[in-house]
Amino acid sequence: DVKVTQSSRYLVKRTGEKVFLECVQDMDHENMFWYRQDPGLGLRLIYFSYDVKMKEKGDIPEGYSVSREKKERFSLILESASTNQTSMYLCASRQQGYEQYFGPGTRLTVT
Amino acid sequence: SQQGEEDPQALSIQEGENATMNCSYKTSINNLQWYRQNSGRGLVHLILIRSNEREKHSGRLRVTLDTSKKSSSLLITASRAADTASYFCATDAGNSKLTFGKGITLSVRP
Repeated sequence: DVKVTQSSRYLVKRTGEKVFLECVQDMDHENMFWYRQDPGLGLRLIYFSYDVKMKEKGDIPEGYSVSREKKERFSLILESASTNQTSMYLCASRQQGYEQYFGPGTRLTVT
Repeated sequence: SQQGEEDPQALSIQEGENATMNCSYKTSINNLQWYRQNSGRGLVHLILIRSNEREKHSGRLRVTLDTSKKSSSLLITASRAADTASYFCATDAGNSKLTFGKGITLSVRP
């Protein structure tokens, strides 16, 4: 079974803190994704990566950066957390042309 | 940019009834996928239908695809309370990423 794991299920951070969200997949997928999900707005793509050290901006990259140093790991970084980044963050991976596998999500609260 | 548009936005049915959800999209696709999300969890893949397929079944799920109308439907037969969830369609246009709709909230009353 494909597994996508995320480092935390719940996270509480203070405004201005640097926040790291980690995601690991175990199926050698080349593509990895970070989304945020807010009520009424659906899934919004923040960044994705199609190979090690390669990344592309999604629909809402502002305030975020990413890192992919190894194929199985994709990190989302909030350089200076703000209250409007309080959200559910979902990581996913897929082989192009096939289904996508999601992690369990990290609910981040920024106070 | 949301390509898949699900309809209705919310659906409430009695246990044992069938649930039909629709998805429309705008551009050519390689495949279309349906996902389920239980409250507070990640999305789970249900079924993938390729552009050259018209119908696909998986257990109590039946998916149809009409590429001429750029639409798909997901039918859940004999629904159960455990089917209560949000359902998303996603389109694969052949690049790295899927495009998701905003989802349909299905409530199945016991």
